Amino acid sequence: QKEVEQDPGPLSVPEGAIVSLNCTYSNSAFQYFMWYRQYSRKGPELLMYTYSSGNKEDGRFTAQVDKSSKYISLFIRDSQPSDSATYLCAMSLTDSWGKLQFGAGTQVVVTP
Amino acid sequence: GAVVSQHPSWVICKSGTSVKIECRSLDFQATTMFWYRQFPKQSLMLMATSNEGSKATYEQGVEKDKFLINHASLTLSTLTVTSAHPEDSSFYICSARDRLGAHLTSGSSYNEQFFGPGTRLTVL
Repeated sequence: QKEVEQDPGPLSVPEGAIVSLNCTYSNSAFQYFMWYRQYSRKGPELLMYTYSSGNKEDGRFTAQVDKSSKYISLFIRDSQPSDSATYLCAMSLTDSWGKLQFGAGTQVVVTP
Repeated sequence: GAVVSQHPSWVICKSGTSVKIECRSLDFQATTMFWYRQFPKQSLMLMATSNEGSKATYEQGVEKDKFLINHASLTLSTLTVTSAHPEDSSFYICSARDRLGAHLTSGSSYNEQFFGPGTRLTVL
């Protein structure tokens, strides 16, 4: 069993819809939870990070962490074609210098 | 700020040859750099952690003699794939952490890894 599970998709949504992404994990020691966006043949870029449980909002993006369920989510409101990319969740252990454990990434396609 | 570059962005080589990939932090000093490998439609897999001035720490299953890592300065780390074979064909991505930076919010700190654009290696 992988430490971090993420549905690879693809997930296709019409422009303006809400994109809902999620990951589950098995290691309860994870404390930092990140979402990265990766365009084709490019390196990942950090979208949001959350420490421990709770919600965090940044513009059209909302990240949620439910440690009791070992489940994290990313919501993208008012999706745009430019949001079409692969979204990877990542996690690290108890200190902020820890190694990142990535999910497989979900490919998102926003159609005009 | 916080830009990481990689060179080359794309390389094709013959089986048995060695290939060197450079990772540079352009506007910050990086004590620690990481090397990842990503196969198509798969996750990033950490290969090794590179600390300036010391030997790299390799993940389980990664051959240190095949993937040579050198971190000679605070802005440059290199990955050399020795005696490359077709199964080494992959997308190699580096990341770097700012030696000085930490993002503080709500009482917690997170020292972000900044990723390079990746190098696509094809071994014929």
